[in-house]
Order: sequence, then structure tokens, then C-alpha cells
Amino acid sequence: QSALTQPPSVSGSPGQSVTISCTGTSSDVGSYNRVSWYQQPPGTAPKLMISDVSNRPSGVPNRFSGSKSGNTASLTISGLQAEDEADYYCSSYTSTSTYVLFGGGTKLTVL
Amino acid sequence: EVQLVESGGVLVQPGGSLRLSCTASGFTFSMYWMSWVRQAPGKGLEWVATIKQDGSEEYYVDSVKGRFNISRDNAKDSLYLKMNSLRAEDTAVYYCARGAWGFDFWGQGTLVTVSS
Repeated sequence: QSALTQPPSVSGSPGQSVTISCTGTSSDVGSYNRVSWYQQPPGTAPKLMISDVSNRPSGVPNRFSGSKSGNTASLTISGLQAEDEADYYCSSYTSTSTYVLFGGGTKLTVL
Repeated sequence: EVQLVESGGVLVQPGGSLRLSCTASGFTFSMYWMSWVRQAPGKGLEWVATIKQDGSEEYYVDSVKGRFNISRDNAKDSLYLKMNSLRAEDTAVYYCARGAWGFDFWGQGTLVTVSS
């Protein structure tokens, strides 16, 4: 099964808001609230930012929020900071034999 | 503090075998699903395999089915990935991660290079 679809890159200036989309199908994003988002700065391991569509783990700034509509999940980062510059990945449970799908990743550039 | 420490990554020839290990600490290992996720050089994340708390359920990405085996030893707080018939496309950093479809803690990764 194909990966979830994310835009290759997004950018924004400090203080602005950006939204990263993650599009799947009715076999994954559309039918289950098991979507997560990860932040990965260069050379480091991924870090969970959002789980179960919109839950923010302890320690993650409330500038990060998640939502879902139909087959598309979204990660919104408000009040952009230079430290937010990283690659962001979404993942979802899928009812197909694949079990878990990742998106292709989105590179966030803070201008 | 939750910690996951992977080991076992090396340079191996195509067709060879390897076993990766992940040692967990800072939480009750036996209570959690555990997974392996890999990342080829310069590429995105790819889920590889997941195992239930008691080892009674295992799931694999299609590209490794029949070649890789995930297992765990709850008495040793350890997760394993046995990899057989390795191919060049298996070259990646392999991460151990806590969880089944959402991964809340990750190790630092171990690099597996498949090349002659």
C-alpha cells in the first residue's frame, strides 16, 4: 500500500502559523483516530508531537495541534519558532495487511 | 526516564543475516506493544514490524515478510529483529520504538548497511 501523502515542504516566518496535511484513504486516516505526528530535526531520532489525531504528549508546546477531516489529517504549528525547523511525518494505523503507514515527510523551513 | 538502546547494526553482505537488539529501561516493558521502524539514508520513515506485549501477535511490512522476525524477551526487557536474506534496499537506520501504531518513545537507532 502507498504511503500517506504529505507536501514535500512548507515554510513560514517566525510568529506565523503553518499547516501540514496528511492524506490517506478510508482504510486508514478516514476510519481510525490513530493518526500520529513526529518531528525529526536533522541527525536525530523522531519525537512524538501528536497522538490519536489531536492529543499532545506531556512536554510538547501547545503551539502544536492536530485535527482530522475525512481522509486528511493536519498538523498546525502556530507562533513559529526557529527551533521548529525539522522534518515532520504523519503515521496512521491501517486495516490493510500493512498495519502502519507513514507519510513521506514534510520539511518545514522557518524563514 | 524511558530509554531504548539499539545495537547490532553492522555492514553485511547481500543474502546475509543479522539480529538487532533493543534494551528498554524506565518503564514496564512487558506492558507495551513494541515496534521497529527504519529510515533509509536521506529517505523517510518506514514501519517494519510490531509485536504484542506477550508476543502472541506480530505484524510486518510486506517487503520483509518471510525474511524478518520480530521477537521479545520480557524477562530481559529486550526486543529483537532477526533479519535474513538481506538486500541492498534493507540498508537503513533501524529504530526501536514503543507502541503499536503511535510511537511515543524512540531509540537512537542502529545503522544496517547491506553491501558487497
